[in-house]
Amino acid sequence: GQQLNQSPQSMFIQEGEDVSMNCTSSSIFNTWLWYKQDPGEGPVLLIALYKAGELTSNGRLTAQFGITRKDSFLNISASIPSDVGIYFCAGRSNTGNQFYFGTGTSLTVIP
Amino acid sequence: GAVVSQHPSRVICKSGTSVKIECRSLDFQATTMFWYRQFPKQSLMLMATSNEGSKATYEQGVEKDKFLINHASLTLSTLTVTSAHPEDSSFYICSALSFSGSKETQYFGPGTRLLVL
Repeated sequence: GQQLNQSPQSMFIQEGEDVSMNCTSSSIFNTWLWYKQDPGEGPVLLIALYKAGELTSNGRLTAQFGITRKDSFLNISASIPSDVGIYFCAGRSNTGNQFYFGTGTSLTVIP
Repeated sequence: GAVVSQHPSRVICKSGTSVKIECRSLDFQATTMFWYRQFPKQSLMLMATSNEGSKATYEQGVEKDKFLINHASLTLSTLTVTSAHPEDSSFYICSALSFSGSKETQYFGPGTRLLVL
């Protein structure tokens, strides 16, 4: 199935730093979702985006639905150790129910 | 947010036995659920789409007779790994589609770790 291009693949940052990651697709999507997955757990929904240009925040997290509808980014401000995990983007077009997933960004926060 | 449960959380079985994994949407009805498989340090691999009241749709390369899916109610989908072998050992995760007006969101279960000896 289609897989989204997600970058960076991994990040090592100092506690307190801001983080940015993004996803791009060759297809137009009408929904973008961002998830965080801890080891041995299922992904947990962080932010859902439904409209091109939409900018949504959830605490220290901010995500935007790209104007072209082919990309989305997630920012984490003032990172803390518990932000460690793997972040996935997921997108869905207006045909079918299936969501396509990014390859994941592994985040390590150094105290 | 919506809650999806999965049972069991981990299972160890002998080669040749069958294992059933349940996925439940606890506070919403889900006509569509998905089953994924995830290998270490990799993204989620969609195995099949489970549709309430109809046959599941399997992704290319996924054996439907090996991975039986039953979506008998609006809150329950089951995945049965038949005649499991060591290569079936993996982390299996289900998800359920939730609708709010025209907005669709996918919520995941906590996953099931399967180890086939």
